[in-house]
Amino acid sequence: NAGVTQTPKFQVLKTGQSMTLQCAQDMNHNSMYWYRQDPGMGLRLIYYSASEGTTDKGEVPNGYNVSRLNKREFSLRLESAAPSQTSVYFCASSARQLDSPLHFGNGTRLTVT
Amino acid sequence: GNSVTQMEGPVTLSEEAFLTINCTYTATGYPSLFWYVQYPGEGLQLLLKATKADDKGSNKGFEATYRKETTSFHLEKGSVQVSDSAVYFCALSTGANSKLTFGKGITLSVRP
Repeated sequence: NAGVTQTPKFQVLKTGQSMTLQCAQDMNHNSMYWYRQDPGMGLRLIYYSASEGTTDKGEVPNGYNVSRLNKREFSLRLESAAPSQTSVYFCASSARQLDSPLHFGNGTRLTVT
Repeated sequence: GNSVTQMEGPVTLSEEAFLTINCTYTATGYPSLFWYVQYPGEGLQLLLKATKADDKGSNKGFEATYRKETTSFHLEKGSVQVSDSAVYFCALSTGANSKLTFGKGITLSVRP
């Protein structure tokens, strides 16, 4: 009954370091998403994957890459972290049907110094 | 493009008070509308939704009516509880990919 699982929960990076945020869902959902949440900005879509094997840019893709490894897993990579990428990152998944709700993980809090 | 505007926060109420959180939207086509709630330390979870004009979504005592003529989807609850303290997000979707456009969110605090 895990739903959407994100790792790690917290991470501190120095400017220029790289890291990958992991996300896995066990609901057999086709679509997966990465959002970032910043104070006063709401949630903004970074990348999404409508189905296994496809990925598309969202509203704020610069500085990020993604991999849809299989139907369950969708990872987000920061190749060279910048302080502007300090944020809380949420992974979500949904069935690929009109009006299907998104199911969110509990987030990764990333600080870049 | 699509956008969602929520009233400025934060909002602080006493227990059993009436709650209204305003939400208006701009969208191409005919959007579906959602309210999501985020409790401290957790991800967002769907609170309610409405998929066409004049639909009313409801859950846990919360209600919102899809008003096409005013492009609004205001959230209401007749009597709030301390456990309703959370961040509330209004959102819309216009495609089969379920990509959501979110408002900025509003923090609700309910005092005993």
